[in-house]
Amino acid sequence: GNSVTQMEGPVTLSEEAFLTINCTYTATGYPSLFWYVQYPGEGLQLLLKATKADDKGSNKGFEATYRKETTSFHLEKGSVQVSDSAVYFCALSDLTGGYQKVTFGTGTKLQVIP
Amino acid sequence: DVKVTQSSRYLVKRTGEKVFLECVQDMDHENMFWYRQDPGLGLRLIYFSYDVKMKEKGDIPEGYSVSREKKERFSLILESASTNQTSMYLCASSPGAGNTIYFGEGSWLTVV
Repeated sequence: GNSVTQMEGPVTLSEEAFLTINCTYTATGYPSLFWYVQYPGEGLQLLLKATKADDKGSNKGFEATYRKETTSFHLEKGSVQVSDSAVYFCALSDLTGGYQKVTFGTGTKLQVIP
Repeated sequence: DVKVTQSSRYLVKRTGEKVFLECVQDMDHENMFWYRQDPGLGLRLIYFSYDVKMKEKGDIPEGYSVSREKKERFSLILESASTNQTSMYLCASSPGAGNTIYFGEGSWLTVV
C-alpha cells in the first residue's frame, strides 16, 4: 500500500534560519502530493500541493517540488519566522480500489525561536 | 472558501455513553472522511464516504460507525465510548480523487 515517511521532529530553528523537512513516499499509482500545517488546537490547513512530477507547489514562502525519480516532496523555506511554529504533515492522495485514499506522514513539529 | 464545520470542539463523555460527532461541509463535496489524531501516531482514517448512504471502513473502524443521510453531513458515532477513544477527531471533505481535502477544526473528545 501507499506510505509517507517524513523526518521526525521536533525541529528547533532560530528565526530567519533555512528550513528543510524531508518527505518521501511510496505509491503504486501517480499520486498528488500535499503539505498541510496544523497550528496548536486547530485542524489541518493546506499549505501547498503538487499534482504531477516536477511540479513545484509554493505558498507563504514555503516550496516543495514533486520528484518522481527520488519519490520525494521535501518542504523548504528560506527564512522562517516565529509564526511558522506548527506541525507539518506530508500527504499523498491516490485512487485506490476506486476511492480516493489519502495517506499522511506522522507529522514534524517545528519550533522557531526568536 | 470551503468550510468544514464540526459541531462540537470539546466534549467530555462517560464510559459506555453513545457519542455523536457531527460534521457539515458547504461545498457539495462527494467525499467525506473521519480521522483520529493521536500523539506519535499521526492521522488514522476511521471511515470515509464517497456518496450519500455509502460508507467504507478505513484503517481503524472498530468501535465506530458512521452515517451519511445527506451529502453535506457526515456523522461519526461511538456506540459505547471507551477511554481508549479519548482523542482528537478530524472531519474532512474533498471533491474527489487527487484533489485537496479540507479539514474541520477538530473535536477533542475525552472519555472518563
